[in-house]
This record gives sequence, structure tokens and C-alpha cells, in this order.
Amino acid sequence: DQQVKQNSPSLSVQEGRISILNCDYTNSMFDYFLWYKKYPAEGPTFLISISSIKDKNEDGRFTVFLNKSAKHLSLHIVPSQPGDSAVYFCAASARTGGGADGLTFGKGTHLIIQP
Amino acid sequence: KAGVTQTPRYLIKTRGQQVTLSCSPISGHRSVSWYQQTPGQGLQFLFEYFSETQRNKGNFPGRFSGRQFSNSRSEMNVSTLELGDSALYLCASSSLRAGDYEQYFGPGTRLTVT
Repeated sequence: DQQVKQNSPSLSVQEGRISILNCDYTNSMFDYFLWYKKYPAEGPTFLISISSIKDKNEDGRFTVFLNKSAKHLSLHIVPSQPGDSAVYFCAASARTGGGADGLTFGKGTHLIIQP
Repeated sequence: KAGVTQTPRYLIKTRGQQVTLSCSPISGHRSVSWYQQTPGQGLQFLFEYFSETQRNKGNFPGRFSGRQFSNSRSEMNVSTLELGDSALYLCASSSLRAGDYEQYFGPGTRLTVT
């Protein structure tokens, strides 16, 4: 069963507008969430993370929101730029003893920024 | 600071053979994790090493194994290759210093099994 779900395989947004990528999870033990961006033939690039003790984290144009009661998180990109076109992965971790447990990834959302 | 490096970048093997992939983490990072990416299953966690010890393991058969050396470099081995092992194998490193649990990925090794 998929513990991390990204229900939109693709998303098209106009340049300059806000991109909102969504992610749902089912495992209550997850307490750390990350977003990665991936171009073809490259490894995922870390974008932003959030701990379950927070409900929002910002880094420049990227903001991640976490709603623990709904088991939902979202990534907002404002304003969207052509270079943002890539596949975005949501990932979750159930940290134990401070270690880096394996990340559980969603299937990804292909974001396309239209000029 | 140099990123995570993986060698080789591309590999073609025949069913039944074995393969060893190598990963050098970011300097100072002691945790190394391995992932398999396929079109059908997406990114899946294989295992994680820290201080030469395997601490976590995903749901993969025993044909998949790994090790970590004292300099934190890691190798992954797949024995008796099957067609379904064709995938992009990604290595990620993490410092695990207080509050820093992000994993940084290498470019991957593309394995094709024929």
C-alpha cells in the first residue's frame, strides 16, 4: 500500500503564478517530511523540509505547509519560473533515535511551467 | 563542497550476473542510503548504513546487499541479476548532525539487465 500519495501525476501552471503541489500520507509515525525536485537523468535535489512540530516552513520562493490532522502537506512555489519545470517528489520519514530512516517517496508530480 | 558521487553512471549486465555499485558521500556525512527507482514502483528504499553498520533495510530480497567502509564510502551489490533489477540506483548521504536529516542524492547508476 502506498503510504505517501501524490494524486496529481502532472500540473501545468503559468509563469509568474503560484504552483501548489499536494501530498497525502497514511502512516501516523511519519514525523519529518521533505520535498525533492528531479530532472531526467539526475538524482533528486533537496528543496525544503518540515518537522511535524511545525505547520509551515519557508525558504525563498518555496513554502511547505503541514496539516497533521489531515495527514496532508503541500508545497507552494511563488512565483513560478520556467526553471521550476521538473518532477517533484514528496518524501516522509519516521525518525527513530535521531537516525535517518529510509525515506518513503510519493510517485511524483510533473510540474510544467507555461510561458 | 563536492556532492555525492556514484560510479559507474551506466552499466549493462546479463541475467544471472552480479554487479557492484559504488557511492562516495559528501565529505563529513556518515550516513549513506541506497534507493531503487523504476517507472512502476517509483523510488524505493533499499538500506541505510551508518558507521559501517546497516541500520535500516527496505523490503528487498537478500540478493541486494551493501557495505560501508571506514571512510563512509559505500558499495551496493546485486547478485543473480534478474530483468526486473533494471533501474536507476540512487545513493544519498546525510550528516545526521542535530536537526539535519536531509538526504542529498547522487546522480545515480543506470543499470540495464538483458
